[in-house]
Amino acid sequence: SQQGEEDPQALSIQEGENATMNCSYKTSINNLQWYRQNSGRGLVHLILIRSNEREKHSGRLRVTLDTSKKSSSLLITASRAADTASYFCATAVMYYGNNRLAFGKGNQVVVIP
Amino acid sequence: NAGVTQTPKFQVLKTGQSMTLQCAQDMNHEYMSWYRQDPGMGLRLIHYSVGAGITDQGEVPNGYNVSRSTTEDFPLRLLSAAPSQTSVYFCASSFLETQYFGPGTRLLVL
Repeated sequence: SQQGEEDPQALSIQEGENATMNCSYKTSINNLQWYRQNSGRGLVHLILIRSNEREKHSGRLRVTLDTSKKSSSLLITASRAADTASYFCATAVMYYGNNRLAFGKGNQVVVIP
Repeated sequence: NAGVTQTPKFQVLKTGQSMTLQCAQDMNHEYMSWYRQDPGMGLRLIHYSVGAGITDQGEVPNGYNVSRSTTEDFPLRLLSAAPSQTSVYFCASSFLETQYFGPGTRLLVL
């Protein structure tokens, strides 16, 4: 079943602004991951946050996780036109030593130059 | 490394035809999976494999078969295509926590 539900579904911002996306889920997880998909391409892993972590940074990305509220947020700072893409959250449960992922429906982000 | 490769990139089928979507990875990953992506639905897991000879069903397995005879290859078979299987199909492999996706196969069933 679909785990992650992103909010908002579509976002349009000016270059240089920050973009924030939220994701909610329903069951216990091992970790939560964010992926980016450029138009017509496969998904690319961006960042992972474990269930015992509250915040993580990677370059211009900041992700938070609130397990009590079963929610996560992804912040992209100082957005660029190249950040235009769809962003998916995926919740992970461990299975045979690997993560079995359940994806949300995605957030479409358009960064206007 | 080529990573995860998928063939074909695009395919048109008639209802009732069969075909196999190919997926290969050269990273020696044990875990591989197939997803379908439909507008507004995100990615849904079809089948997955935790190693050669071991496969299991995901969220939407009906109408699809898989097998895993080698670590490298994980083909997805449609035995009798239906219009509802029109979608973009992604294969992924993973080591521990991160999944690596192929470029996708766009399938149209008429």
